[in-house]
Amino acid sequence: DAKTTQPPSMDCAEGRAANLPCNHSTISGNEYVYWYRQIHSQGPQYIIHGLKNNETNEMASLIITEDRKSSTLILPHATLRDTAVYYCIVRAVNNAGNMLTFGGGTRLMVKP
Amino acid sequence: DTGVSQDPRHKITKRGQNVTFRCDPISEHNRLYWYRQTLGQGPEFLTYFQNEAQLEKSRLLSDRFSAERPKGSFSTLEIQRTEQGDSAMYLCASMASIHQETQYFGPGTRLLVL
Repeated sequence: DAKTTQPPSMDCAEGRAANLPCNHSTISGNEYVYWYRQIHSQGPQYIIHGLKNNETNEMASLIITEDRKSSTLILPHATLRDTAVYYCIVRAVNNAGNMLTFGGGTRLMVKP
Repeated sequence: DTGVSQDPRHKITKRGQNVTFRCDPISEHNRLYWYRQTLGQGPEFLTYFQNEAQLEKSRLLSDRFSAERPKGSFSTLEIQRTEQGDSAMYLCASMASIHQETQYFGPGTRLLVL
């Protein structure tokens, strides 16, 4: 699976959009982009994933560039409860085991 | 609450003791994963089961570690002769099938080896 690069930390004001970038320049055509987050002392929580097209669900939007070498997770109206470590993960479609390879993630601090 | 439960949530033990953790996946999820997470790092894959069969083990899973899923439902992870380096959060995740793409994680078991 391709490696990902994320900024180690970011701040966001409460109520504003949080835009979390991820670089995956070595991604191949059969690899998904996944986002998970981990609130302090809890297990990781699935947020969203995509292959080529932009995706949106009740939690967030995922914007994938046309060349697929980078993506952005958007939390449209960040709240204090969105303070967490956000992990961008690339996983091959044909990864039979479906195991996830986590990097260091981005620590998002939402401030009042 | 994802529906994946782990027990105990916290465990303190002395070096050299054996410990066992339990994971109850979401009902009817046939894939079950174990990960380990040390302080400040992302989770690292240890092993996974498809029903009762253990299909892959990471090189991180030393001979002191053993995992079972005897009836394809709950799973246990045992660490024998614990070492201080085993101190970590042990996470369990489950997934519906190989065609389901989302893993649901439990709250983890935090182990401290003194």
